[in-house]
Amino acid sequence: DGGITQSPKYLFRKEGQNVTLSCEQNLNHDAMYWYRQDPGQGLRLIYYSQIVNDFQKGDIAEGYSVSREKKESFPLTVTSAQKNPTAFYLCASSSTSGQGWYGYTFGSGTRLTVV
Amino acid sequence: AQTVTQSQPEMSVQEAETVTLSCTYDTSENNYYLFWYKQPPSRQMILVIRQEAYKQQNATENRFSVNFQKAAKSFSLKISDSQLGDTAMYFCAFMKRRAGNMLTFGGGTRLMVKP
Repeated sequence: DGGITQSPKYLFRKEGQNVTLSCEQNLNHDAMYWYRQDPGQGLRLIYYSQIVNDFQKGDIAEGYSVSREKKESFPLTVTSAQKNPTAFYLCASSSTSGQGWYGYTFGSGTRLTVV
Repeated sequence: AQTVTQSQPEMSVQEAETVTLSCTYDTSENNYYLFWYKQPPSRQMILVIRQEAYKQQNATENRFSVNFQKAAKSFSLKISDSQLGDTAMYFCAFMKRRAGNMLTFGGGTRLMVKP
């Protein structure tokens, strides 16, 4: 079955460490996205990528980095520069082929906690 | 920049009754898409319904329907015959056509369906 897989489901980070969240899709979607979800604030865009080897900053990119070396993969690194990284992180992908646009397919998320 | 506002942080409804969730948005665009997403306790994001701004007819999906008022920039979600499984966070989202397909989300409404 086609889908989008995020791993790990739970991740703990010590102060000053970089951690990488994985996102893989087998839907042949061109575009991929990373969102951060905090309680009561909805989802905020961190980074997005429309094609391989290209990506753009979203609204809250500071302290994060990404790469898009393969169409299927869009990992997110939370660096030590991110002062408040504890949150729920959602990866999504989309396709604009065909008639109209049908929204995102989301992964199941990664819960990151700073310890 | 687009903004999406959901003015009801929490709502509750009795099973089998009807409930309406509000959403307003601010944009200068004329061509765009609007969405409602559901996030149950599993935290998996699920697309509920989609509306294209150039279509005047309100979208419907089984028990879910929208009231799209373009001039008022309003996009409310009506859930008929509420079921216990409808208990979830509901997010309204906006996308400008051909703009990287980035979704802008509202802050969410937590809906509790009571037996």
